[in-house]
Amino acid sequence: QKEVEQDPGPLSVPEGAIVSLNCTYSNSAFQYFMWYRQYSRKGPELLMYTYSSGNKEDGRFTAQVDKSSKYISLFIRDSQPSDSATYLCAMKRGNSGGSNYKLTFGKGTLLTVNP
Amino acid sequence: DSGVTQTPKHLITATGQRVTLRCSPRSGDLSVYWYQQSLDQGLQFLIQYYNGEERAKGNILERFSAQQFPDLHSELNLSSLELGDSALYFCASSVLEGAAGYTFGSGTRLTVV
Repeated sequence: QKEVEQDPGPLSVPEGAIVSLNCTYSNSAFQYFMWYRQYSRKGPELLMYTYSSGNKEDGRFTAQVDKSSKYISLFIRDSQPSDSATYLCAMKRGNSGGSNYKLTFGKGTLLTVNP
Repeated sequence: DSGVTQTPKHLITATGQRVTLRCSPRSGDLSVYWYQQSLDQGLQFLIQYYNGEERAKGNILERFSAQQFPDLHSELNLSSLELGDSALYFCASSVLEGAAGYTFGSGTRLTVV
């Protein structure tokens, strides 16, 4: 079983739709949870970052973490064609010591928002 | 522009050859991370340096090595290249060693033929 599972999609939605992206994980040591957006031929760009369980909102984006279920989500409201990209979830164990520094990524979900 | 500079952007080379990928971190960032991205494996952590010292190692092959220089730029050396090494190689940087959010460069696309 992979440490982080993410449905690769592709996901195609009309402009204005609410998009839900999800990841599950198996390692209960993960404490930091991130969502990255990657446009074609570009590097990943950090969108949202949360520590432990709970919700975090930033504009049209909301990140949710449920550590009891080992499940994280990213919601995009009023989706725009410019949101079309691959969305990657990422997780990290801690803030000190060796392998705690590495991020473990999901494989990414390809999202297309149609005008 | 993220501030993390990777060169070259594209590289095509033959099996058995050796290549060097270069990364200049964002100004002020002391930590550099290297990741490999392929279609089947996704983004995989290779190695991390902080202020010139190796701090963490991931699934990095013995044929691969890296270093971070006093001016904080980093190089990833890939030798005895195989077809399966074809991938996107990303460098990322952060100010703090354990920062949760990195800044990624645009990557080097390596094609081994």
